[in-house]
Amino acid sequence: GALVYQYPRRTICKSGTSMRMECQAVGFQATSVAWYRQSPQKTFELIALSTVNSAIKYEQNFTQEKFPISHPNLSFSSMTVLNAYLEDRGLYLCGARSGTGPERLFFGHGTKLSVL
Amino acid sequence: QQQVRQSPQSLTVWEGETAILNCSYENSAFDYFPWYQQFPGEGPALLIAIRSVSDKKEDGRFTIFFNKREKKLSLHITDSQPGDSATYFCAANNNNNAPRFGAGTKLSVKP
Repeated sequence: GALVYQYPRRTICKSGTSMRMECQAVGFQATSVAWYRQSPQKTFELIALSTVNSAIKYEQNFTQEKFPISHPNLSFSSMTVLNAYLEDRGLYLCGARSGTGPERLFFGHGTKLSVL
Repeated sequence: QQQVRQSPQSLTVWEGETAILNCSYENSAFDYFPWYQQFPGEGPALLIAIRSVSDKKEDGRFTIFFNKREKKLSLHITDSQPGDSATYFCAANNNNNAPRFGAGTKLSVKP
């Protein structure tokens, strides 16, 4: 079956430091990968959508300078939270799908980021 | 980003009852509406989805009713079970975009 692994599951970083998180697709080709942040009081905020061989589309309020994303092949993507502060806390979810249409996303368990 | 709205925020039903979760959206270009189920500590998992060309989609105890004119849809869970207790997210997208999620409805099913 199709699975998505994210690691680390949990991480704590000091305010002002950076944190890299990874997303691995197993059993299918992750043509597109969407990164979301799920905050305790909010819903999923879409950060960006990455499609292999296409430019990464960032949502308003999220930038490449703050959340650089790498999507080098059809099974792996990573995102870094640069210069993390308290407002960056939350559960970062990676959703991957094969194809570029509106088909289902397979999500990982997420990376929970805490900032001290 | 809040283009998808859900209500109620939380819902409690007794085992065997029908739970009704509501969703509305703003962007008329949305044409695919997945519902995701999320248990604590896990990522969301696709439960059922409907395309805008349909007004109903059924899968076992789960049914989506869709009203394109009013931009509303609802998820009905019949014969609710305690194991259905989870947070349910309505999402919407179109073409090659990533889905936009609502704020979720936390469902509790009491035995």
